[in-house]
This record gives sequence, structure tokens and C-alpha cells, in this order.
Amino acid sequence: ETGVTQSPTHLIKTRGQQVTLRCSSQSGHNTVSWYQQALGQGPQFIFQYYREEENGRGNFPPRFSGLQFPNYSSELNVNALELDDSALYLCASSLDRNEQFFGPGTRLTVL
Amino acid sequence: AQSVTQPDIHITVSEGASLELRCNYSYGATPYLFWYVQSPGQGLQLLLKYFSGDTLVQGIKGFEAEFKRSQSSFNLRKPSVHWSDAAEYFCAVAPGMDSSYKLIFGSGTRLLVRP
Repeated sequence: ETGVTQSPTHLIKTRGQQVTLRCSSQSGHNTVSWYQQALGQGPQFIFQYYREEENGRGNFPPRFSGLQFPNYSSELNVNALELDDSALYLCASSLDRNEQFFGPGTRLTVL
Repeated sequence: AQSVTQPDIHITVSEGASLELRCNYSYGATPYLFWYVQSPGQGLQLLLKYFSGDTLVQGIKGFEAEFKRSQSSFNLRKPSVHWSDAAEYFCAVAPGMDSSYKLIFGSGTRLLVRP
């Protein structure tokens, strides 16, 4: 059974650019949640996708958007990057919105 | 608004000593409660969870936690710490009736283990 994987591992962007982060959910899972973890902080909920539909969103601006594909993998897109977007982005998958299993994260640095 | 407080930023214990990490939450009803561990460069691993029933829950790696409704607390304990337990620990809550099951995390407690 393959766990949650995320790509890329690390990414460096400059202010104003756009970025796409990817997540492959654990086999059999149909729900993906995304979290942002700033340095020294706990993760913050960005949004969740359940069966390809957004199912709950945290306090993040619209320039944070996402997709979930028919195979339940997911993308997180961030437009107009700001310095404060520098963080570890964590993806978690679950079955029917139950216990979440986290991936290793993507470390995004915005210069 | 729901929130989670972990009052200890760092805790240092000697190997073999007991451990208690504190967690307090703010939520109107009984939430779902979790403890996660994060090693450097890693994602989060679930140690244990509480939904209902017995207020003392057992988790992996010898950890346990006790839900105390009167104190709005869910403290994590381990009777004898091993050097491999050094990591960051996060307490989290999820509103029980919210189908999005979003997790609200505390700011974490970093555990250091002295040899």
C-alpha cells in the first residue's frame, strides 16, 4: 500500500510568481486536505476536496486554489506569491473524510 | 472560534523519565481530539485520537492521553521516554459535526531528550 506522496520536495519561487504543488493520495482514499505550516507554527487548514468537490475552506485568500482529479490526486495552486507564503505545505488523504494520513510535505521558499 | 493551546514551546526530559505534554482547547461542544508527532523533515504521524467513550486513550509508541472535559484538556503522557521520541508534538481538534473534518492545530511542543 503506497502512502501519501507529494511533489516537489522543495521549491524556490520569487514574489508574484505562481506555483503548483501536487499530492497523490493513499490507495483507496477519496478525500484530500491541504495545510500550510509556517516555520515554528502548527499546520493551518487551507481546504479539503472530497470526490472532486471543495468541501470546506480555511481562512485563506482566493489566490489559493485547488483541484482534485478522478484518481483522487490533488493540486494546490497559489497565485501572486507573497513572502509570507513561504512554508511547508502538507497534504493529507483520508477515506470519506475520516482519519487523515499526511504526506512529507513540500517546502516552498518565496524570495 | 475554536482554538488549541500548547503552553510549552520546548520541554527537555532525560531518557527514561516520564513525560506530560499539555494541550487545552476552546470549543463549545466535545470535539474530536488528536495528538500528532512530526520528526524533522517529515510529515505528521497520528499518535492517538479521542472521539467519545473512555477518556483515557492509548496510542502508538507507548503514548496515552486523557480527555478532561472540566478542564478542556487533552494531555499526552508517556511513562518512560526514549531518545527516539525527540520530535515536535502537535495537539489538534476537529469539530465533531463538521463534515469537512478540518483539523485545528496548536503551535506545537518540541521535545528534547537528554541521554
